[in-house]
Amino acid sequence: DQQVKQNSPSLSVQEGRISILNCDYTNSMFDYFLWYKKYPAEGPTFLISISSIKDKNEDGRFTVFLNKSAKHLSLHIVPSQPGDSAVYFCAASATSTGANNLFFGTGTRLTVIP
Amino acid sequence: GAGVSQSPRYKVAKRGQDVALRCDPISGHVSLFWYQQALGQGPEFLTYFQNEAQLDKSGLPSDRFFAERPEGSVSTLKIQRTQQEDSAVYLCASSLDPISYEQYFGPGTRLTVT
Repeated sequence: DQQVKQNSPSLSVQEGRISILNCDYTNSMFDYFLWYKKYPAEGPTFLISISSIKDKNEDGRFTVFLNKSAKHLSLHIVPSQPGDSAVYFCAASATSTGANNLFFGTGTRLTVIP
Repeated sequence: GAGVSQSPRYKVAKRGQDVALRCDPISGHVSLFWYQQALGQGPEFLTYFQNEAQLDKSGLPSDRFFAERPEGSVSTLKIQRTQQEDSAVYLCASSLDPISYEQYFGPGTRLTVT
């Protein structure tokens, strides 16, 4: 049973506009969330994270929002650039249980059109 | 700086053969993870090491899968009597210590069982 869900397999955005990638989770024990970016033939690269004690974390063009009551998080990329075209994975961890393995969504392929 | 490296990058095995996949984590990283990524899916957790101790192997799909990290650095994932359903990308990740939740991934080994 998929505990982390990314319901949009793909997203296309014009260069310079905002990209919004969404992620939902079902396990209320998840308390740490991460976004990874993956290019073809490479491993996932860590992008940004957020702890459940926060509702927003910003790093340059990337902002992650967390809505715990809705069990939903989103990644905003502003402005989008062609180099942002990749597959984005949402991941979650239940750190309070002592476990630190990650549960991943199925990914969203972002295409930024020049 | 050296990241996580994995070898071989590609492996083709006939059904029933044994395979060994190697992971070299970032130097000094205490935690090491193995994940399996099937086509079109996100990575799924297999097993976790803290130094040489295998603390969690709950994700290993069968007793044909075995992992070791004898000296607390390099790790090997071994699959015995490979089956077609074992075909996937096997990703290794490391993190600095058990409370560092950001994991750094290698490029993966793509295993194809024919």
